[in-house]
Amino acid sequence: NAGVTQTPKFQVLKTGQSMTLQCAQDMNHEYMSWYRQDPGMGLRLIHYSVGAGITDQGEVPNGYNVSRSTTEDFPLRLLSAAPSQTSVYFCASSYSVGQYGYTFGSGTRLTVV
Amino acid sequence: AQKITQTQPGMFVQEKEAVTLDCTYDTSDQSYGLFWYKQPSSGEMIFLIYQGSYDEQNATEGRYSLNFQKARKSANLVISASQLGDSAMYFCAMTPVGFGTGTRLTIIP
Repeated sequence: NAGVTQTPKFQVLKTGQSMTLQCAQDMNHEYMSWYRQDPGMGLRLIHYSVGAGITDQGEVPNGYNVSRSTTEDFPLRLLSAAPSQTSVYFCASSYSVGQYGYTFGSGTRLTVV
Repeated sequence: AQKITQTQPGMFVQEKEAVTLDCTYDTSDQSYGLFWYKQPSSGEMIFLIYQGSYDEQNATEGRYSLNFQKARKSANLVISASQLGDSAMYFCAMTPVGFGTGTRLTIIP
């Protein structure tokens, strides 16, 4: 089925560990983004990309890296996990910014202990 | 600063009644898009409705309509004839600003 695929669905990390959250879409969307969702704070933008080779920071980028080597993939890397990064992470994609709704992945629930 | 505001943390509505979820926004851009998403307890984000800043008519999608008042910078979601399955978190969003903090809607049988 076409859509946005996120892996893993659940992850527990120890403080200081690194990991990569995977995001792939098969809709040829140019725009991709990563959000984190914390209780009472809605969704906050971490990083986004308007096309392959182009990335930019969102509202809360510290502690995260991204790259966009292909149109389909937009992985999010946690460099050195901290308890403050415990959250639910969503990847989303769209044909373009501002004109179309986002298609979201199913989310990754990350716990840092 | 650009921002999205949802002032209703939670709402309780009787089944079959209409419900309005409030959303205000602040931007200096002339061209922007406004969206509403539904997040049920299962956690996925479901796109409901879109309104472009230059659209002259309010957007409608089935039981959902968006009451767009550009001068007041508001984009309220109206759900007609609410159903038990409408119980969920609802987020207003504006690209590229971001998302509001959400409203938890509970439909009472």
